[in-house]
Amino acid sequence: GDSVTQMEGPVTLSEEAFLTINCTYTATGYPSLFWYVQYPGEGLQLLLKATKADDKGSNKGFEATYRKETTSFHLEKGSVQVSDSAVYFCALLSGAGSYQLTFGKGTKLSVIP
Amino acid sequence: EAGVTQSPTHLIKTRGQQATLRCSPISGHTSVYWYQQALGLGLQFLLWYDEGEERNRGNFPPRFSGRQFPNYSSELNVNALELEDSALYLCASSPREGRAKNIQYFGAGTRLSVL
Repeated sequence: GDSVTQMEGPVTLSEEAFLTINCTYTATGYPSLFWYVQYPGEGLQLLLKATKADDKGSNKGFEATYRKETTSFHLEKGSVQVSDSAVYFCALLSGAGSYQLTFGKGTKLSVIP
Repeated sequence: EAGVTQSPTHLIKTRGQQATLRCSPISGHTSVYWYQQALGLGLQFLLWYDEGEERNRGNFPPRFSGRQFPNYSSELNVNALELEDSALYLCASSPREGRAKNIQYFGAGTRLSVL
């Protein structure tokens, strides 16, 4: 079945540091890939997405590129802020009629001033 | 435009009771999804409703059930509550067609505590 493996947390960074959260997946066919973010006490917000190989999703300074050859979708940001502190989830949608998202376990990011 | 709304925000029940959680999708969205976020288990898919029909079900026992109403809102019912049902239940919606067809938009969730 489909699965998503993402970097275990927690991750603690200083403000303005570079962020990478690794995500790899296993899926049949050609899934769509997503990064969702969950701020404390809130639901999930879509951060960015990519629907086919070599697509780059970007939003709020975050980027991720769909790499079919390495089955990866790593999240990056050049300079994190305290307000980026949250839990980040990598997810895939395999389609094939099921339309259920498969999530990684989440990576908690804390950014300190 | 209003987002996905869920009610109640918090729900406290005791073992053996039934819980009913409600979700209103974004206007124009016909699909509703339910996920459970339990401590240590991550986010797990529960149910998918579209046009009033259950389309897919995750690996959960039958005491987890739901329905979708003609206005596309949805209820999740959990019968015979067990302590391990304590979790954040998230509802998401997506449109049937268009560029956003494969994007699920989430509500803030209902925190269910079973005592």
